[in-house]
Amino acid sequence: GDSVTQMEGPVTLSEEAFLTINCTYTATGYPSLFWYVQYPGEGLQLLLKATKADDKGSNKGFEATYRKETTSFHLEKGSVQVSDSAVYFCALITGNTGKLIFGQGTTLQVKP
Amino acid sequence: DSGVTQTPKHLITATGQRVTLRCSPRSGDLSVYWYQQSLDQGLQFLIQYYNGEERAKGNILERFSAQQFPDLHSELNLSSLELGDSALYFCASSVTGVDQPQHFGDGTRLSIL
Repeated sequence: GDSVTQMEGPVTLSEEAFLTINCTYTATGYPSLFWYVQYPGEGLQLLLKATKADDKGSNKGFEATYRKETTSFHLEKGSVQVSDSAVYFCALITGNTGKLIFGQGTTLQVKP
Repeated sequence: DSGVTQTPKHLITATGQRVTLRCSPRSGDLSVYWYQQSLDQGLQFLIQYYNGEERAKGNILERFSAQQFPDLHSELNLSSLELGDSALYFCASSVTGVDQPQHFGDGTRLSIL
């Protein structure tokens, strides 16, 4: 079945460091890909999305490119802030439903 | 604020009991989704409704059921509760039922004692 695999966390970085969170997927057909972020005590917020190969999603300094050849959708940010500390989820949708399939989540801790 | 409202925020009950979780979608959204978040299973899709009709089903237990009402709010009913049902239950909504960004509520934390 369809699945999403994320890099293990937690990831701990100093402020202004470069961030990469790896995400790979397995899917039949052509999925749409998403990154969601969950701040402590809150629900998930959509961070960015890409719907077809080579699309780049971007928001709030975060970027991810849909790579069909490597079935990947890695999240990057050039300079992280303490306020970026949260859990990040990679997810996909396939087929004709809205069923989101999530990775296990990666916790990011940014230290001042 | 996502515009999706879930009540209650916290629920504490005992094994064998039944509870109802409520979700009001964003204005204009026709589709509602329910997800369960637990430490061991992660985020799991339970069920989706679109304009009052069931659209997709995930790993939802037979003890669980849901419905979407004519005003588009949804309820998730959990019965014969077990300790393992303790989790965070999220509702999400989207405009249509296919390939659209979903907007999540803040969740209902269910604790079974």
